[in-house]
Amino acid sequence: DTEVTQTPKHLVMGMTNKKSLKCEQHMGHRAMYWYKQKAKKPPELMFVYSYEKLSINESVPSRFSPECPNSSLLNLHLHALQPEDSALYLCASSSGRSANPNEKLFFGSGTQLSVL
Amino acid sequence: QKEVEQDPGPLSVPEGAIVSLNCTYSNSAFQYFMWYRQYSRKGPELLMYTYSSGNKEDGRFTAQVDKSSKYISLFIRDSQPSDSATYLCAMSAVTGNQFYFGTGTSLTVIP
Repeated sequence: DTEVTQTPKHLVMGMTNKKSLKCEQHMGHRAMYWYKQKAKKPPELMFVYSYEKLSINESVPSRFSPECPNSSLLNLHLHALQPEDSALYLCASSSGRSANPNEKLFFGSGTQLSVL
Repeated sequence: QKEVEQDPGPLSVPEGAIVSLNCTYSNSAFQYFMWYRQYSRKGPELLMYTYSSGNKEDGRFTAQVDKSSKYISLFIRDSQPSDSATYLCAMSAVTGNQFYFGTGTSLTVIP
């Protein structure tokens, strides 16, 4: 099973709303990622968790708050977003283990977020 | 200079053609090389994976890595309309939890 599951698939929110994106994998991967992707652009790294600890934060605004409750789950909490934050948000995972940590990166199907 | 360069296209070919997609890179530490297929508004799907140099074949798809030239390729034989998508190359080093992406090439296969 090489599946990364993301919910919801679509989300529309106002600028004052609070919402959360959820991601789950059962491949035993120890590195999990959030990416943001705008149309016709490659994915842009936001956060990396390694062994449930935040290891990379690419200077993302504080209105995005990641959380890794356990080795299989990753959340992205959203608050007071701006219209320019509208994008496809992708969760991904890789082995993250000492042997071949970056061997392959598997993506979920994404959450298409629209901020009104 | 970007870590990974990829011709954005767009590329348009007739059904049955052989398609060649390419990426170049600058970091000699890259060891893992991936090709993704992405349909509009969907997550990227891992299509091919290669470790270090060499070729890998899977059905109609062949991935090649030439580390001496820092050049990777994806060939699609007997292209089908269902191959119409954006193709992203990606690569990583052994350590660091970082993956580096090309800008993607948009491919259209015309029936």
